[in-house]
Amino acid sequence: DAGVIQSPRHEVTEMGQEVTLRCKPISGHNSLFWYRQTMMRGLELLIYFNNNVPIDDSGMPEDRFSAKMPNASFSTLKIQPSEPRDSAVYFCASSPRGGGTGNTIYFGEGSWLTVV
Amino acid sequence: GQQLNQSPQSMFIQEGEDVSMNCTSSSIFNTWLWYKQEPGEGPVLLIALYKAGELTSNGRLTAQFGITRKDSFLNISASIPSDVGIYFCAGRTPGGWGKLQFGAGTQVVVTP
Repeated sequence: DAGVIQSPRHEVTEMGQEVTLRCKPISGHNSLFWYRQTMMRGLELLIYFNNNVPIDDSGMPEDRFSAKMPNASFSTLKIQPSEPRDSAVYFCASSPRGGGTGNTIYFGEGSWLTVV
Repeated sequence: GQQLNQSPQSMFIQEGEDVSMNCTSSSIFNTWLWYKQEPGEGPVLLIALYKAGELTSNGRLTAQFGITRKDSFLNISASIPSDVGIYFCAGRTPGGWGKLQFGAGTQVVVTP
């Protein structure tokens, strides 16, 4: 079975450039999550969607970050303009259902972003 | 940032030894999950727990959902070199939709 698929796996970009990270959740999952992982702050939830609708975006650090989920099989996380402090690993994850006991979350392999 | 207290932060053990780590929370959880992350990879789900007192095994791994619903532990028996990685606990509060809170991780290093 295909897991959560993210692209690109690695990206190096210059400060001020736009960065777009992409995610394809596991087929049939109706919840999608974007996490950021850094040494200092660990795993942080940025935003999550249920049935393509953003439910909680309180973790999005600032207006430079935006996320969309136009359909059940695709999501993007965009940073514009990027800054060096955005350097981190960005994980997309999906879950079979949005709430209730039994909700487990499956992660992609991550997009490793370096902003210079 | 993390709202769970995971300990220990790191462990250096010899092959064949058992490993134990735990997480505690000030909030009641209705789900505890344990993940392992290897370098360059995403977290991989090891064990999921859904009921207070639940004890679940996955090979050499055993995890329990604490009776108080505020803690969980993970044990690894007879460690082997491929157990190296960072182990994360994650919990979800009732009514929290899919939103997980993560511990800071326990780094496990196994020496031959």
